[in-house]
Parts: sequence; C-alpha cells; structure tokens
Amino acid sequence: KNEVEQSPQNLTAQEGEFITINCSYSVGISALHWLQQHPGGGIVSLFMLSSGKKKHGRLIATINIQEKHSSLHITASHPRDSAVYICAVRGSNYKLTFGKGTLLTVNP
Amino acid sequence: EAGVTQFPSHSVIEKGQTVTLRCDPISGHDNLYWYRRVMGKEIKFLLHFVKESKQDESGMPNNRFLAERTGGTYSTLKVQPAELEDSGVYFCASSIAGMNTEAFFGQGTRLTVV
Repeated sequence: KNEVEQSPQNLTAQEGEFITINCSYSVGISALHWLQQHPGGGIVSLFMLSSGKKKHGRLIATINIQEKHSSLHITASHPRDSAVYICAVRGSNYKLTFGKGTLLTVNP
Repeated sequence: EAGVTQFPSHSVIEKGQTVTLRCDPISGHDNLYWYRRVMGKEIKFLLHFVKESKQDESGMPNNRFLAERTGGTYSTLKVQPAELEDSGVYFCASSIAGMNTEAFFGQGTRLTVV
C-alpha cells in the first residue's frame, strides 16, 4: 500500500462543476503539496500546506492533520483545468512521497 | 527569471548505452532533487543535493546511476549502462534553503531505453 493514496484515479466532469480530489497519507508529515501536470507539460506546484486551508483563484486546498487527509477543490471547473493532480507529502526529511495522481478531464 | 530547466526533453537510447541528463535549477536554490516516474507508477524520489553535497541518495536504484552537482549549480544524472527498466520520466526540482520551502519542477526528461 502506498503511503499516499489519492482518489479518484480518474475524474470526468462537465464545465462548471465543482471538483474534489482527495488525498490520504499514512505517515507523519511536515507539509503536503498539491501539484498539477498538464499533458506533455512539466509539474507545477499549486499549494504547500501544513494546516488549515489555502485558496488561490478557483482552487482551494484543505488539510486535516489529525485525520491525515487533504482535499483539493476546484470551483467552476473549466476545460483548461484538465490535467493530472498529484498529492505529495514531506515527512521529517527533505524528500517528497507522491500519490499516483488523479487524471481530471473537464468537458465543455 | 528562468525556471528549472532540464535537457534533453526526450532521449531514446539502446540498452547498454550511456545517457546523461542535465538539470539547471533556479539560480540561488541550494536544494536540488531528482525524481523519476516509471510508467503506471507514482513519482519516486531518487536523490537530494544541498549545494554540491549529496544529502540523501537513498532512492537511487543501483550503481548504474550517478548524480553530480559540481560547484553547486547544475546537476547531471548519468545512467550507465542503461537497462529497459530505466525508461521513464526524470524530473528535477529545486528550492531555496530550508526544508518546507516550495519546490519548483522542471519539465522532465522522457527517457526511453529500447
């Protein structure tokens, strides 16, 4: 079992829908990252958080340390949001442990 | 400001050949990381440099992989000799000094060993 589990693995939505991607982890962490990768593109950091909630535009990330769970929400989804969303955690050292990613497809 | 740059973007080599991947981190970033995604699997950590020193190379698969960061600037990852299972996308990331600092990723190098 991977230390970082994401769900769902694949998600198809219609433009305008509210999207939630979940991430659960089994180890103690110092920070959790949400990353985005468009097809054929590099990886972009969306959020780094260790508690509470962060918001950037239509993206919201939350984390519950006690439950070892984080969610990434996208409001008013758009086809350009189509990408792989990756959750990664940092423990007591510097390296990141990654989930397998969630492939999001937003149809017009 | 230039981001993290990786060369080449794609490489196709035959089994047994040598390939060298290069990563130019963001200027001033002490931390440099190499990661790899093998098809169908999650991205895995390979190693971490702080300036020119290897801080953690626990993720390096075997001694066919050699990473260097001479002078604490750009880094190279050499695979010699390459095997079929080395195929994947190799990502480099950099961050400023400190542990919980934002990591900036390169576009990745897609390596195919045939």
